[in-house]
Amino acid sequence: GQQLNQSPQSMFIQEGEDVSMNCTSSSIFNTWLWYKQEPGEGPVLLIALYKAGELTSNGRLTAQFGITRKDSFLNISASIPSDVGIYFCAGPGMDSNYQLIWGAGTKLIIKP
Amino acid sequence: ETGVTQSPTHLIKTRGQQVTLRCSSQSGHNTVSWYQQALGQGPQFIFQYYREEENGRGNFPPRFSGLQFPNYSSELNVNALELDDSALYLCASSLPHRTGELFFGEGSRLTVL
Repeated sequence: GQQLNQSPQSMFIQEGEDVSMNCTSSSIFNTWLWYKQEPGEGPVLLIALYKAGELTSNGRLTAQFGITRKDSFLNISASIPSDVGIYFCAGPGMDSNYQLIWGAGTKLIIKP
Repeated sequence: ETGVTQSPTHLIKTRGQQVTLRCSSQSGHNTVSWYQQALGQGPQFIFQYYREEENGRGNFPPRFSGLQFPNYSSELNVNALELDDSALYLCASSLPHRTGELFFGEGSRLTVL
């Protein structure tokens, strides 16, 4: 079945640093979604991408839909403590639009 | 605008028991999806309900079943619980045709002993 591979698995960064993470697949996705999950909470949608090559920002977050439609990346500029959490990429399965396939997440930890 | 609410937040069951988890969708959303999230993993799609009917199902056995009510709230039922059913169960609501843009509740943490 379709899979999404996220890297890195975890990141330890200093406050103020820029962060970059990505998501790849061996199959094409027509939509890429980035969610953030904090402890004890459900995931929250950060950015939705619908067109190959699309670059979209949400405050300090920027995400791009890869031209091949097999990858996407998420950048966070000037990280702050509240950026801590797990970032997931997700996309609709080829067999159905209602089922989202999720990566395993990138855990962001900010060093004190 | 009321967000997605789930109950209970935590529960402990033993193998072989049955459990019912409940979800109220966000105001105006008529589509509800359920996901299972094991520790350290991304969510796995269980099924989706739209207009009180199951609209699609992931790779879960029939002992996972659900309902959607006329007010769009939903239930997830799991029979014959197994140890591997221990997970966070997430409910998400969405508008039809925007099923990638999910609004999640806080989840119900199920522990099976």
